[in-house]
Amino acid sequence: EAQVTQNPRYLITVTGKKLTVTCSQNMNHEYMSWYRQDPGLGLRQIYYSMNVEVTDKGDVPEGYKVSRKEKRNFPLILESPSPNQTSLYFCASSPVKGVGFDTQYFGPGTRLTVL
Amino acid sequence: DAKTTQPNSMESNEEEPVHLPCNHSTISGTDYIHWYRQLPSQGPEYVIHGLTSNVNNRMASLAIAEDRKSSTLILHRATLRDAAVYYCILLSSGTYKYIFGTGTRLKVLA
Repeated sequence: EAQVTQNPRYLITVTGKKLTVTCSQNMNHEYMSWYRQDPGLGLRQIYYSMNVEVTDKGDVPEGYKVSRKEKRNFPLILESPSPNQTSLYFCASSPVKGVGFDTQYFGPGTRLTVL
Repeated sequence: DAKTTQPNSMESNEEEPVHLPCNHSTISGTDYIHWYRQLPSQGPEYVIHGLTSNVNNRMASLAIAEDRKSSTLILHRATLRDAAVYYCILLSSGTYKYIFGTGTRLKVLA
């Protein structure tokens, strides 16, 4: 089944404790992206990647890192989480068909709480 | 970056058409207009996208104003399963960044 998977789905952690949220897709998509969703603010793009070893900042990259060493994986790293990073996080992937792009497929989300 | 503006909420009766508006007055010539929807407790799902011309697919239609400063997502016959938050999004073809609006919560009345 074609899908985007995220792990963990739920995470409660404490300020300053490094964590990684994994994202994997099995559709051979070039484009992958991370978003955070907060009440009243909608979804905001954190980082995105056009292909392996190519990453770019979205609208809210501060406090996050990403890497794209393999086409299928795009982990989100919080080196020193803070309470303002408490949010619902979504990973997404998309094929790149020309300039307009195509459907983004979203993962199920990871609910992160930083105490 | 350009931004989008949408009404916070709208209501529709079941089986009737729904027109969801989006304003993007600062859109640049190479920005694509995408629409996604998010059902409760799920990730967003793709609905439709376009650049200049109106677009149709099995889910919806997208009407884009001639000056591209606004667009309208049209659901031809709303069903209860269409109740969701609908996001109007701009994709920059230069930077490949997605800019999401804050979304319109659609309520469908039986």
